[in-house]
Amino acid sequence: QKEVEQDPGPLSVPEGAIVSLNCTYSNSAFQYFMWYRQYSRKGPELLMYTYSSGNKEDGRFTAQVDKSSKYISLFIRDSQPSDSATYLCAMSETQGGSEKLVFGKGTKLTVNP
Amino acid sequence: NAGVTQTPKFRILKIGQSMTLQCTQDMNHNYMYWYRQDPGMGLKLIYYSVGAGITDKGEVPNGYNVSRSTTEDFPLRLELAAPSQTSVYFCASSYPRQGEWADEQFFGPGTRLTVL
Repeated sequence: QKEVEQDPGPLSVPEGAIVSLNCTYSNSAFQYFMWYRQYSRKGPELLMYTYSSGNKEDGRFTAQVDKSSKYISLFIRDSQPSDSATYLCAMSETQGGSEKLVFGKGTKLTVNP
Repeated sequence: NAGVTQTPKFRILKIGQSMTLQCTQDMNHNYMYWYRQDPGMGLKLIYYSVGAGITDKGEVPNGYNVSRSTTEDFPLRLELAAPSQTSVYFCASSYPRQGEWADEQFFGPGTRLTVL
């Protein structure tokens, strides 16, 4: 079983839809959970992060972590064509540096006008 | 700030050739990383460095070498290029944080390498 599993999609939704992106993981020591967004032919950029369990909201984006189920989610409300990108989950046991991030494979999202 | 810059943007190599991918950051970050990204495969860590003069292997180091003589620069060397090294290479940097702050890695725009 891979440490981090993420459905690669692709996922195609109409503008205004609610999007749900998910990852599962096997390492119970993970404490930091991140979502990176990667536009086509660009480097990833950090979108949101959550420490330990719980929810975090930032505008149209909500990140959820369920450590008991080893499951994390990113919800996008009122999706826009500009949200079209690949979304990668990432997680680590500590704050990074010598502790490496483990990335999911990424889910490619297309929001159609 | 320019952030993380990478050169070249694109390169085609013949099997057996060598090259160096350049990476520079102007954010004074201690930590730097090299990843490769294959289609549908996510990011795989090749090498990383926690400071000048200190480097360590990641998940897929074979066929690559790195050096870190300054805080700003972290070049990746490919010796004897092989078709399996065809990929997009990303350099990233980060800085130590405390408490509940996650490690935000800042990525460069990538180098697209094809080995024929």
